[in-house]
Amino acid sequence: KNEVEQSPQNLTAQEGEFITINCSYSVGISALHWLQQHPGGGIVSLFMLSSGKKKHGRLIATINIQEKHSSLHITASHPRDSAVYICAVRGYGGATNKLIFGTGTLLAVQP
Amino acid sequence: DSGVTQTPKHLITATGQRVTLRCSPRSGDLSVYWYQQSLDQGLQFLIQYYNGEERAKGNILERFSAQQFPDLHSELNLSSLELGDSALYFCASSSLLGLGDTQYFGPGTRLTVL
Repeated sequence: KNEVEQSPQNLTAQEGEFITINCSYSVGISALHWLQQHPGGGIVSLFMLSSGKKKHGRLIATINIQEKHSSLHITASHPRDSAVYICAVRGYGGATNKLIFGTGTLLAVQP
Repeated sequence: DSGVTQTPKHLITATGQRVTLRCSPRSGDLSVYWYQQSLDQGLQFLIQYYNGEERAKGNILERFSAQQFPDLHSELNLSSLELGDSALYFCASSSLLGLGDTQYFGPGTRLTVL
């Protein structure tokens, strides 16, 4: 079992829909990142969370440390949101400086 | 544009060869991270440098090495290349030391080993 699991693996939505991507992890963490990778390959860091909730434009990220779970929400989705969304966690102790990545969620937003 | 540059964009080479990938961080960023993204392994953290010193190591093979120079640019050296080393190699930079801060990614170098 992977230490970082994302669901769903693939997601197709209609423009305007509210989208949720989930990330669950099995290790203790000090921070969680959400990344976006566009079809051309470029990666953009969207959020870094250690607790609570962060919002940037139409994107909202939440984390529940006790439940070891994070969600990325996209409101009023648009075709330009089509990308792979990757969750990554930073551990504690011996794994403090290692980032562990999920396998990503491929999102396609249709007009 | 993240401000992180990587060269070359594409690299095609043969098994057994050695290549060097180069990364220039954003102006003022002291931390540089290297990542490998392959089809079967996904995205993996390789190594981090901070102000010229190695600070964290991930799943980096012994055939791979990296360094960060006084001007803060970094190079990732891959030797005795194997077919399985074909991947996208990303460099990222951040201003702080910890992996918990925002990282800015370069466009990547696509390595193909034939």
